[in-house]
Amino acid sequence: AQSVTQLGSHVSVSEGALVLLRCNYSSSVPPYLFWYVQYPNQGLQLLLKYTTGATLVKGINGFEAEFKKSETSFHLTKPSAHMSDAAEYFCAVSEEGGSEKLVFGKGTKLTVNP
Amino acid sequence: NAGVTQTPKFQVLKTGQSMTLQCAQDMNHEYMSWYRQDPGMGLRLIHYSVGAGITDQGEVPNGYNVSRSTTEDFPLRLLSAAPSQTSVYFCASSYSRFETYEQYFGPGTRLTVT
Repeated sequence: AQSVTQLGSHVSVSEGALVLLRCNYSSSVPPYLFWYVQYPNQGLQLLLKYTTGATLVKGINGFEAEFKKSETSFHLTKPSAHMSDAAEYFCAVSEEGGSEKLVFGKGTKLTVNP
Repeated sequence: NAGVTQTPKFQVLKTGQSMTLQCAQDMNHEYMSWYRQDPGMGLRLIHYSVGAGITDQGEVPNGYNVSRSTTEDFPLRLLSAAPSQTSVYFCASSYSRFETYEQYFGPGTRLTVT
């Protein structure tokens, strides 16, 4: 069964610093991978996704992620953090490669300090 | 488009009471699902539906029922509420026909069972 591990339940960065949120997955089939963001008291919003093709995926708000099959990783990065990036971020893997059924990681809460 | 709507936003139940959480979408999406979000647990799939008249269980289905009589609506029923069902519930939908794999989430229902 697919699973997702997000390293670090809380990450704190300074405004302008690099954001790196880690995600490792296990999957028995070629994975479809996603990053979602949740702002306080809101639902989840898709940041970016990897299905096939280019392994470096660009998303909204300046975020990007790189699919590394050899490392079973899909880490999320942003070169320069902004105060508005403070939120909880969830990595997810499609349960059966093309399925809409998602398995989520436990989330990483990002704090951005002025 | 209103997207995915959920009602109510907040609900307090006593143990043993029943209720229905409403979810509707106006995007003609075939796939709809219910997740629950608990602190430190990420999101876990309760039930899902790939189209009207078709539903199936997710990871944590016990204590919940669903039905899908129309494409637009996917209500979640709690038959006899228990304190363990205190959680935030999210409904999501996606247009699976074109394999976009992007799920749209509603704003959530915060449920407390006393």
